[in-house]
Amino acid sequence: SQKIEQNSEALNIQEGKTATLTCNYTNYSPAYLQWYRQDPGRGPVFLLLIRENEKEKRKERLKVTFDTTLKQSLFHITASQPADSATYLCALQNQGGKLIFGQGTELSVKP
Amino acid sequence: DAGVIQSPRHEVTEMGQEVTLRCKPISGHNSLFWYRQTMMRGLELLIYFNNNVPIDDSGMPEDRFSAKMPNASFSTLKIQPSEPRDSAVYFCASQDSYSNQPQHFGDGTRLSIL
Repeated sequence: SQKIEQNSEALNIQEGKTATLTCNYTNYSPAYLQWYRQDPGRGPVFLLLIRENEKEKRKERLKVTFDTTLKQSLFHITASQPADSATYLCALQNQGGKLIFGQGTELSVKP
Repeated sequence: DAGVIQSPRHEVTEMGQEVTLRCKPISGHNSLFWYRQTMMRGLELLIYFNNNVPIDDSGMPEDRFSAKMPNASFSTLKIQPSEPRDSAVYFCASQDSYSNQPQHFGDGTRLSIL
């Protein structure tokens, strides 16, 4: 069956460092991969989308890579700030538009 | 701009009662999605609509769950009768699928069934 795995352990890093979150998947060939941010008591908020034929995408301090051979995406936040503390969800999408979400990784950035 | 609006934000009720969750999508969006989020299972798609028509309801757990979209600006998710295992946060999301824009989520309804 389709499976998406994200770091189950919370990630704690120091302000200013680069945070790297991992998303691995099996038994799936997504057309797109998306990353969302979720704060406590709020709905997920879209951050970035990367297509299957793209290797890397950047937006300000965020960078996403997508390796369809390894079936893995890495999500980087450079120069991290305490305000980046949240849960980050990866989601796979086929051409039909349906999203399948990972469990999320909780990131905590300490000042 | 108003985002996706869900009501109520919190609902506590006793098992066996009917529960109705409401969603107003972003104006102009043609797709609407209902999700359920729990610690154990994460965020799961229950059902989605395109142009008010249900397209995929394979995630609806059982016949106690039903969803309707009578018009482009309103949708409901109903649970009847409710059970304690239905306790979760239910999210609604909408999307302009014609331009392949990302989904926009509401802030959810936290449902507790006692």
